[in-house]
Amino acid sequence: GAGVSQSPRYKVAKRGQDVALRCDPISGHVSLFWYQQALGQGPEFLTYFQNEAQLDKSGLPSDRFFAERPEGSVSTLKIQRTQQEDSAVYLCASSPYGGAGPYNEQFFGPGTRLTVL
Amino acid sequence: KNEVEQSPQNLTAQEGEFITINCSYSVGISALHWLQQHPGGGIVSLFMLSSGKKKHGRLIATINIQEKHSSLHITASHPRDSAVYICAVTRYSGGGADGLTFGKGTHLIIQP
Repeated sequence: GAGVSQSPRYKVAKRGQDVALRCDPISGHVSLFWYQQALGQGPEFLTYFQNEAQLDKSGLPSDRFFAERPEGSVSTLKIQRTQQEDSAVYLCASSPYGGAGPYNEQFFGPGTRLTVL
Repeated sequence: KNEVEQSPQNLTAQEGEFITINCSYSVGISALHWLQQHPGGGIVSLFMLSSGKKKHGRLIATINIQEKHSSLHITASHPRDSAVYICAVTRYSGGGADGLTFGKGTHLIIQP
């Protein structure tokens, strides 16, 4: 079956532009996560949705970052007034259930590589 | 101090060698994950474990909950095993699903 997909795969933006990154999770998956991975680093948590509810946005680095999942499936991560430090790979993952636990494996998308000039 | 520490950061070995990558964590967890990331960004989940040992092909993952330590082993390593291996944990929480907390990864190169 189809895995997690993300679009675009690559995005180049000029500093100050707004960007929108899309994540299509595995159909029926309850949980959706966004992560940011800077070059040479491990990913870092940004935000988490359980269905359409954004239960945790503690990892969003500033109020320029906004995420939504209005119908509990597709999610969009929006970055306003992009800065050079926003350059990173943005990863989306989904998992079948809500709740933490060893049963709730996360499935990752290929990521969107954002470069801000 | 990072909550998830991996070692080594970089590892170069010859084809056929037995590989061990270590992970230590300092928080309460409900699960530990070993992930593989190839150039280009895609992440594949190798193992998710909360106790004991799991084996899949040439890969073995172990976890010691008391010592807060896990190891990933690769037997009969092959150049196609070259990738970044990332340890991540699901922190134990009272409700909801916390995002994963990741180590910085181990960059493995297997030379033919």
